[in-house]
Amino acid sequence: SAVISQKPSRDICQRGTSLTIQCQVDSQVTMMFWYRQQPGQSLTLIATANQGSEATYESGFVIDKFPISRPNLTFSTLTVSNMSPEDSSIYLCSVGDSNYGYTFGSGTRLTVV
Amino acid sequence: GENVEQHPSTLSVQEGDSAVIKCTYSDSASNYFPWYKQELGKGPQLIIDIRSNVGEKKDQRIAVTLNKTAKHFSLHITETQPEDSAVYFCAALRARQLTFGSGTQLTVLP
Repeated sequence: SAVISQKPSRDICQRGTSLTIQCQVDSQVTMMFWYRQQPGQSLTLIATANQGSEATYESGFVIDKFPISRPNLTFSTLTVSNMSPEDSSIYLCSVGDSNYGYTFGSGTRLTVV
Repeated sequence: GENVEQHPSTLSVQEGDSAVIKCTYSDSASNYFPWYKQELGKGPQLIIDIRSNVGEKKDQRIAVTLNKTAKHFSLHITETQPEDSAVYFCAALRARQLTFGSGTQLTVLP
């Protein structure tokens, strides 16, 4: 299965600022996914990052708040914009399919103060 | 869309005993059901999965069963060990999107 490197592993940010999270995969993948995991909660899909086209966002998530880049088949970024304390969560990158399974990165633990 | 319910939310077992976690899903079009283990401070790790054309799958101490008619699937861990303590998530895949259950905090008591 693919190996995912996610950076930063954690950060503490001031409200009103933005943070960009990077996801690097060791092989080319068609689809990359970004999830949010609020404290003590399950995983919620934010968007699917498609190479060469705009990301597809799930209900409740918008591009202005969570812009995503996908410049090639091994890399994606998620930006959390104009942060508030409610954005404090773990953000996770994932790749895969039903043939090989879905793999997750180690996550970015974001605290907004 | 898909809805996945997971029970129980917490589970404590004695070391060596078995643990069972159950999930139900709503969309009959879902066709792939993975289970993840998440340890504190780490990302979810895939531990076992099952596809809709299979009723049971086993990997050493871990097994998963699927009942398509009833739309439920279960994780079975036998001979539990303290290192099995973690949060476990079930998920269902439909149209390339995974929907997760709410998670089960498993504690194995020594």
